[in-house]
Order: sequence, then structure tokens, then C-alpha cells
Amino acid sequence: KAGVTQTPRYLIKTRGQQVTLSCSPISGHRSVSWYQQTPGQGLQFLFEYFSETQRNKGNFPGRFSGRQFSNSRSEMNVSTLELGDSALYLCASSLGLAGQETQYFGPGTRLLVL
Amino acid sequence: AQSVTQPDIHITVSEGASLELRCNYSYGATPYLFWYVQSPGQGLQLLLKYFSGDTLVQGIKGFEAEFKRSQSSFNLRKPSVHWSDAAEYFCAVVRTSGTYKYIFGTGTRLKVLA
Repeated sequence: KAGVTQTPRYLIKTRGQQVTLSCSPISGHRSVSWYQQTPGQGLQFLFEYFSETQRNKGNFPGRFSGRQFSNSRSEMNVSTLELGDSALYLCASSLGLAGQETQYFGPGTRLLVL
Repeated sequence: AQSVTQPDIHITVSEGASLELRCNYSYGATPYLFWYVQSPGQGLQLLLKYFSGDTLVQGIKGFEAEFKRSQSSFNLRKPSVHWSDAAEYFCAVVRTSGTYKYIFGTGTRLKVLA
């Protein structure tokens, strides 16, 4: 069974631009969660989607948004990029809600904002 | 506020030696508890999890963790470390009531000496 895939793996953007990251979960998994990992703040939960609905949300500004499609694939969008958005963005999938299930993480998308 | 503390930022052990990584949490009730490992350039992999029941939990790769309610701790152990265990280890907690929060500790980077 294929693992969680994320595209693109690397991305360079400039301040003010927007970016869309994609995550394809393991087949059959209905939950996709997104995390931001930075050296300063560590790993922080962004949001979780389950069956196309956002179920949980972390403490991030509205510039960070996401969605999930009927095939469970998920996208994360960051608008009006700031330098501090430079990070590794990880997505994880699970059969059920992330807090109660084993999450499987993708390799991440490394975003650099210049 | 709920938090997770991993007091050791770096730990160095010799191959074959035993290992204990510390994790403390602050939360009124017993949360769900997780340990993850992140190898360089890789996503996170779940080592083990605790929801309820037996307080000694066995995981993959020969790891185990013990939940101690009185100490609000969930320490990770391995009796004999292998060079391939060199990685960063994250403890995480999930609230079991109220607002959903999936919180990671700051991580402990393990170095293994040959």
C-alpha cells in the first residue's frame, strides 16, 4: 500500500505570494491533518479534515486554509506569505480522527519564503 | 494551558547502551499519549501510543514507554540502542475532552556513538 505523498517536496516563494500544497493520503484513510514544523516553534497542528469537513483547527491565522476532496486528498493554502511561514509542512493521514488513531506522515513539503 | 515538555534537547549514548527519553505533560485529565521518531529528511513515524489500560506500552523497533499518572510522565525506553536509532524523538499528547488539541513536545535529538 502506498504511503502518504506530498507535492511539491520543495518550494520557493516570495513574500506576499500564495501557495498551495497537496497531500494524498493512504488509500482508505478518511482523515488528513496538517502540521507546520519550524526550528523555533517546533511541530504545530494546523487543522484536520475528515470526510471533506474541517473537524479541528489549531491556532493559526486565517491566511492558512485547507480543504479535502471526496477522494480524501487534501490541499493546504497559505495566502499573503510571510517570511515566518518558511517551514516544513507535514501532512498525516489516518483511518479515523487523528487523536484516536495511528497517523501516517508524509515526507513533507519544505517551503522557503524570500 | 496544556503543554508537553521534553527536558532533554540532545542525548548521546553509546551503541548497546540503554536509553530513556523523558516526557512530561500538563493536563487535568489523562490525555492520549504518543511517541514519534523523525529521521533526517523523513516524516514522522509513530513508535507507540497510550490511550488507557496497561501503563507499560510496547512499540515498534524495540521501544517501550511507561505512563505514570502521578508524575504526569510518559518516558520512552529502549534496553539496547542501535546506531540506526539516531534521530529526533517527539512526545505528543491529545486532549481527551474539550477543545481538540494535538500538541508535540520540542523533541529530543539522539546521537549514537559507535
